[in-house]
Amino acid sequence: DQQVKQNSPSLSVQEGRISILNCDYTNSMFDYFLWYKKYPAEGPTFLISISSIKDKNEDGRFTVFLNKSAKHLSLHIVPSQPGDSAVYFCAALARLSGSARQLTFGSGTQLTVLP
Amino acid sequence: NAGVTQTPKFQVLKTGQSMTLQCAQDMNHEYMSWYRQDPGMGLRLIHYSVGAGITDQGEVPNGYNVSRSTTEDFPLRLLSAAPSQTSVYFCASSYSGLAAANEKLFFGSGTQLSVL
Repeated sequence: DQQVKQNSPSLSVQEGRISILNCDYTNSMFDYFLWYKKYPAEGPTFLISISSIKDKNEDGRFTVFLNKSAKHLSLHIVPSQPGDSAVYFCAALARLSGSARQLTFGSGTQLTVLP
Repeated sequence: NAGVTQTPKFQVLKTGQSMTLQCAQDMNHEYMSWYRQDPGMGLRLIHYSVGAGITDQGEVPNGYNVSRSTTEDFPLRLLSAAPSQTSVYFCASSYSGLAAANEKLFFGSGTQLSVL
């Protein structure tokens, strides 16, 4: 059973408009949430993160919102640009043994920004 | 800057063959890991290592072996390939195993493996 779920496999948005990517989780032990971005034939790269004690984190055009009571987070991209077209993975951190943590990923959402 | 380097980029195997996927990082990271990416499943952790000589299983370890003899290298071995192992494999590293919550995971560019 997937602990991190991205229910929308794809999203298309017009350039200049807002892109909203959603993510739900089930494990209350997750203490940090991240978004990774992946272009074809490349590995994922870190985009933005948020601690479980916060409800919003902003970095330029990217903002992540966390609703702990609903176990839901979202990534907002404003304004969307064609270069933002990529697969976006939601991920959550939980502690493993010792000090190491494990990242659990969602299945990804393919964002296409149309010029 | 090399970062995390994976070889080969593509590989086709027959069922029952064995092979090793190579991963090397030049960032002196203690933590290294292997993920597989399958359609609709996201990235799932296969094995990880928190330092030379220390490895542990992730979510989907069956059919794979790892070892960590040096800080730089973390090879993934398929002992007897099966069609279910057809996937894209990513190696990733971080400074200390994501012990700091804002620590980033750095990924290689992936290996596309097909098992016929």
